[in-house]
Amino acid sequence: QSALTQPASVSGSPGQAITISCTGTSRDVGGYNYVSWYQQYPGKAPKLMIYEVSNRPSGVSDRFSGFKSGNTASLTISGLQAEDEADYYCSSYINTATPYVFGTGTKVTVL
Amino acid sequence: EVQLVESGGGLVQPGGSLRLSCTTSGFIVSGNYMSWVRQAPGKGLEWVSTIYSGGTTYYADSVEGRFTISRADSKNTLYLHMNSLRPEDTAVYYCARGGLTPRDWGQGTLVTVSS
Repeated sequence: QSALTQPASVSGSPGQAITISCTGTSRDVGGYNYVSWYQQYPGKAPKLMIYEVSNRPSGVSDRFSGFKSGNTASLTISGLQAEDEADYYCSSYINTATPYVFGTGTKVTVL
Repeated sequence: EVQLVESGGGLVQPGGSLRLSCTTSGFIVSGNYMSWVRQAPGKGLEWVSTIYSGGTTYYADSVEGRFTISRADSKNTLYLHMNSLRPEDTAVYYCARGGLTPRDWGQGTLVTVSS
């Protein structure tokens, strides 16, 4: 199972909005509404930011939003802040025998 | 509060073995889907293995036949037994709790396979 495709890097100025894409196939992203997004700081564990395409866990800022169209999911960060500078990974359910596939990861830089 | 704490990582020679543990609190391991996910230095996340609440286990092709996931219900602990380790198995190994979405993660334990 190949990793989902994400841009290597995305940057933006404080206050701007940025969008990270996550492209898969009809067997993963396009086939299920179980796309999630994780934020990871260097040396730290991933933190769930979005689940089931567009749902935010309790405590996650509403500046983070998710969307899916066809085989591509996206994460938008609005009102970009310095603390948003981190790596972001998408993930999708595939099937019982291979429950998760992750994206290639995107480094977000706040200019 | 849900907590997961990995341990057991370290330096091991190629061909060696290691057992990772994931000690948990705040939930029942046997009632959840539990997984191991790894991250090689400077690389992305890679799913390694999952044990479902019913006990069925699955593995990534890269570790099939060498790694075994298990759990000790009495200790509420998840394990990953790793045999025939290779340099490419070098990574931080995370345990994670979740159904179709890994929700809660431990802080990870580093496994280094090198002579």
